[in-house]
Amino acid sequence: NAGVTQTPKFQVLKTGQSMTLQCAQDMNHNSMYWYRQDPGMGLRLIYYSASEGTTDKGEVPNGYNVSRLNKREFSLRLESAAPSQTSVYFCASSARALSSYEQYFGPGTRLTVT
Amino acid sequence: QKEVEQDPGPLSVPEGAIVSLNCTYSNSAFQYFMWYRQYSRKGPELLMYTYSSGNKEDGRFTAQVDKSSKYISLFIRDSQPSDSATYLCAMISGDKIIFGKGTRLHILP
Repeated sequence: NAGVTQTPKFQVLKTGQSMTLQCAQDMNHNSMYWYRQDPGMGLRLIYYSASEGTTDKGEVPNGYNVSRLNKREFSLRLESAAPSQTSVYFCASSARALSSYEQYFGPGTRLTVT
Repeated sequence: QKEVEQDPGPLSVPEGAIVSLNCTYSNSAFQYFMWYRQYSRKGPELLMYTYSSGNKEDGRFTAQVDKSSKYISLFIRDSQPSDSATYLCAMISGDKIIFGKGTRLHILP
């Protein structure tokens, strides 16, 4: 059981370059998320997908796009990278019932934009 | 006022002590309350969740929710050096999850 996987683990981009961060989960969860984590800022939600075929903006969506390719996969795209997007990016998936909740995070992608 | 407030610490306590970590919140619509542990350079790991109010215990960890005061706590008994990490609270209302900024905890051997 792999849980949540993310690729790549590390990436260095030049300003203006584009890239896609990949995320996949094997727990049959409906909901998936992309967060960024910066020192002193905590985890901030970029986009989420409550179910296959739907996506919604989170707290900091500007400069990003997402695709929920199928139930397993949720990708995050930076069309024109900026230094302000230097961060650690985490993908997560979750499942919720009335009195139960589970959420798992991937290992993160460390992105540097120069 | 921010929706979720959490003291960033760092909090240093001796091994074996009881640790108390806390968050306050402003949105009374929050229904699920969670605590995550994050080791350095790793993703967060869900430790405990509570639906609505009350207490929940799991081994050395106890989570408390006081909805009347909009205050949640995580207690760690018999703290161990391996408990040294950043602890994040989080809350859900609908599809919206809001995280606190995390408290850095150091357990001193």
